Formats: sequence, C-alpha cells, structure tokens
Amino acid sequence: DSGVTQTPKHLITATGQRVTLRCSPRSGDLSVYWYQQSLDQGLQFLIQYYNGEERAKGNILERFSAQQFPDLHSELNLSSLELGDSALYFCASSSGGSLGEQYFGPGTRLTVT
Amino acid sequence: ELKVEQNPLFLSMQEGKNYTIYCNYSTTSDRLYWYRQDPGKSLESLFVLLSNGAVKQEGRLMASLDTKARLSTLHITAAVHDLSATYFCAAFGGATNKLIFGTGTLLAVQP
Repeated sequence: DSGVTQTPKHLITATGQRVTLRCSPRSGDLSVYWYQQSLDQGLQFLIQYYNGEERAKGNILERFSAQQFPDLHSELNLSSLELGDSALYFCASSSGGSLGEQYFGPGTRLTVT
Repeated sequence: ELKVEQNPLFLSMQEGKNYTIYCNYSTTSDRLYWYRQDPGKSLESLFVLLSNGAVKQEGRLMASLDTKARLSTLHITAAVHDLSATYFCAAFGGATNKLIFGTGTLLAVQP
C-alpha cells in the first residue's frame, strides 16, 4: 500500500459525459501527478500540481482539467468523453525530496461506452 | 524532448535463467527509476538511480545506470515465477519536470 488513495476504483460512463476522479496523496506529500495508461499510448504523464499550483503539463487534452485543493487532494475532470478515453488513470504523489520518488495510487479504471 | 525506449517488449524466460532488460533515454536525465506493475494493479517503485555508475540490488533484481551511454539495465538473476510482471523504466526530464516512462517489458517466467 503506497498511501495514495484514489476513488472510484471503476467508472463506466457513456460518450459525451463528464466524470471526476479523485486522489488523496500520501501524508505530507505536496506534489500530485496524474497519468493515463492505455494499451495503445502506454503510460502518459498528464499534469502535476505542487501545493495547489500547476507545476508541469504533459499530454493532457483540453477536455481534461485538474486541480489541487488546499487539503492537497486533487481531482481530474474529464469531459465530453470519447471511447478513446477509456484507460486506467493513476495518481501519484511525491514529497519533492532529492530522490523525487513518486508513489502511485491503485488507479481508476474508466470505461467509456 | 526526452524519450525513453525499453527492450525487449516481451520476455519469456525459464525459471533459473538470467536476463537483462535495457532502457535507453534520449537526452540528459538526472534520475532513472524502475517500477514493477502486476496485471491490473498499480506501479510499485523498485529502484531510484541518481548518478553515473549507480548500482542497486534487491533480491534477484539489480539495476544500474550509465549516464554517458544514457542507458540503464535491469538484470534478473535466477528468475522465479513470482517475478512475472511488467517492468517499466522512467527517466526524469529535469528541465520539463516530467517523468517519462518507457513502453514496459512484459516478463513471463515459465516453470
């Protein structure tokens, strides 16, 4: 158990809908990262937040957005969902120390039908 | 732009044999990570390699880093079935503050 929690575990929704994925980082970690894992794209970095501020952006679509709240939990919002958005979405957290090690949550499996 | 390549993509090996997974990255990186992922599960951190010549070992797995060659290796010694999983390497792009993952190597250890 990494200490990073994600909800929900599974999500099934229809095309065109909007969903919100939630992540709580390990106690004391200020950085939260979001990743998308799919068979065709592999593991792709989406976005990073550090203490509430956006720190780095990866291959995140404009239909996707994220934020980190004052209590450090983060939410990833996915809108106008398409079939190709079906994937495993991971959140990771890091203390930002010299090792920079990221600890991954269990993931949310999103299925768009 | 930092790119990370792993090979092989798939590795079927017999128990008791040795093998190496290779991870090449395209530009300077000051940190290299190895992760393990079991089917349908999350990623588990295995090793963090920070400097040229760094070598880390845990059980039957040993990781090394050659920053001049931009190459990291994950060596498996006397494989056992429990090591069957997908192994990812990831390089940290300091300038971009992003962790870039390789394609992963699916390791299947056959009895």
